[in-house]
Formats: sequence, structure tokens, C-alpha cells
Amino acid sequence: LAKTTQPISMDSYEGQEVNITCSHNNIATNDYITWYQQFPSQGPRFIIQGYKTKVTNEVASLFIPADRKSSTLSLPRVSLSDTAVYYCLVGDRGTGFQKLVFGTGTRLLVSP
Amino acid sequence: EAGVAQSPRYKIIEKRQSVAFWCNPISGHATLYWYQQILGQGPKLLIQFQNNGVVDDSQLPKDRFSAERLKGVDSTLKIQPAKLEDSAVYLCASSLAASQHYEQYFGPGTRLTVT
Repeated sequence: LAKTTQPISMDSYEGQEVNITCSHNNIATNDYITWYQQFPSQGPRFIIQGYKTKVTNEVASLFIPADRKSSTLSLPRVSLSDTAVYYCLVGDRGTGFQKLVFGTGTRLLVSP
Repeated sequence: EAGVAQSPRYKIIEKRQSVAFWCNPISGHATLYWYQQILGQGPKLLIQFQNNGVVDDSQLPKDRFSAERLKGVDSTLKIQPAKLEDSAVYLCASSLAASQHYEQYFGPGTRLTVT
């Protein structure tokens, strides 16, 4: 089971780019990296998923180096509404089923 | 597309009482998950269903927690008897299939307070 490590908290200002890095040294060959976002009093929401190199969607970009031991979630030009907890997860291959193991996440605070 | 529905949204009970939570997943989603989220922590998987069969309940405290998914659609999670440490948000999620390539859709959760 690949364990992830990410900063407990980050602060930013509106309009800035935010990069949240996650370490997953024991990632397995077939594991994917997934990021979820959680607002207060809501369930987590899928942001992005990738295996290697770079993935981009309308919300964020995910950068994964060749060794895949880390990944970086990039949020372009954040706004106040991006204040949330961001979770980095690595898929568990144990049973062949998707088993998401959430850590404590990174609490992002965006200020005016 | 309707999201994952959960009820009730809030519940307050005394310790040693019983409580049940209900979840209706997104239509067509074969996989259903129940998570427990204690304040300040990430969600912890309690049980995972594939259709109406259990594929992972390794972290479910089976002496007091039970869950079922009859007919492979709705699901209920029960706690009996409740303890103070069960105070948490209980999240239900569903996905099209069990593969890690499929994103999970979470419901709003049920906030349980045990006094």
C-alpha cells in the first residue's frame, strides 16, 4: 500500500498559481495518482488523475516525473473558492479493486 | 445527473443507542463505498460493495457496525451500540466500477454526534 506525504497547509492569494506536491515513494507500477478536493461540510470531489508526465483538465494540471515518486497538483490563478482540503491518493493494487486511502490532506487557504 | 443521496444529514444520539444511515448511489454505479471521516482527518474506508457483494470490509468494526446493499442499489450502514468515538461524518460514495481508473462520487455525508 503506497503511502503519501503532503504538506499540512498552504496559504496563497487570489490570482496566484498554487502548486501542492505529494510524495509517494513506494508507488507500484500499476498505481495511478488521484487528487480530490473537499470543501467544508461536503464530500470529496475528484479533481484529476494521472499515471505519468502531465495531465491537464479545466480545473488543474498534474505533473508526474519519470520516477513517479512524487506528483504536483497545480491550480492556476486561484480564487477564494479554491479554499479547501486537497488529498493526494495512490491506488491500491492489493485486490485489484480501487481502494482510496486518504491522508490528512493539504489545507489550502486563499486570501484576498 | 443526480448525485449520491444520503440521509439523514445530521443525527444526534446517546451512547449505546443505535443509528442507521441510508445511501442512494448514482444510477448505474456498481460500486458503493462507506467512509468515516473524523474531524480533522481524511475519510477512512469502512466497507466497499461491488453490486450487492462485499469486496472489502477490513476496516469495519464488525462488533458494532453493519452494512448491506440489497438488490445492488441502495445501502444502509448501521451502528449498534454507538460509542462516543463514533462521532464523525459518514460519507457514501459510488463509482461506475471498482477499477482505480474510475472516479468516486461522494454524497454530502451524515454528521453523527454521539453524546
